[in-house]
Amino acid sequence: EDQVTQSPEALRLQEGESSSLNCSYTVSGLRGLFWYRQDPGKGPEFLFTLYSAGEEKEKERLKATLTKKESFLHITAPKPEDSATYLCAVQGSGGSNYKLTFGKGTLLTVNP
Amino acid sequence: KAGVTQTPRYLIKTRGQQVTLSCSPISGHRSVSWYQQTPGQGLQFLFEYFSETQRNKGNFPGRFSGRQFSNSRSEMNVSTLELGDSALYLCASSIDGTAEAFFGQGTRLTVV
Repeated sequence: EDQVTQSPEALRLQEGESSSLNCSYTVSGLRGLFWYRQDPGKGPEFLFTLYSAGEEKEKERLKATLTKKESFLHITAPKPEDSATYLCAVQGSGGSNYKLTFGKGTLLTVNP
Repeated sequence: KAGVTQTPRYLIKTRGQQVTLSCSPISGHRSVSWYQQTPGQGLQFLFEYFSETQRNKGNFPGRFSGRQFSNSRSEMNVSTLELGDSALYLCASSIDGTAEAFFGQGTRLTVV
């Protein structure tokens, strides 16, 4: 069974203070690892897809990286508008697997 | 390009009643998945449909069911509602179920 663990559960940063969020996973063959951002009362917003170890993707102040066991979401010089819950999900390649398995998320708060 | 549309946004139902939620995917997307989100369990997979066929089902009781129409729109139904069914129900659409999934804003269901 696919499993995803995210840490820390909550992170509080000062504006401009860079940090990283962790996503550890176990899956029988990785089809893709996905990062989402979710604001309160809204649906998750797609950020990145990573497919293989060593892959990196960037978008504004966010950079996602992938190894065989974990992924990191690096946030450089965050702003208050980056405050949200960041979710990590995996999709395994075994059989007819079309579901995403999510972690519980990291609640990021960026103070001005 | 229109996103994923879920209706209604909010619902209040009484225990024992049934409810039907609707999801219109992004144009051209043929895969629709449903997830239940609660504070304690996070996002949990309910089921996935592609071309009117259910390909995956999560570990939920038979009271939870769904279907997909020929235009890719999907509905999910919950019968004999229980208090524990109170949650945010999210629909996600994807081109084929293996590419990135885009979520709707969700339907907030409250069972009293």
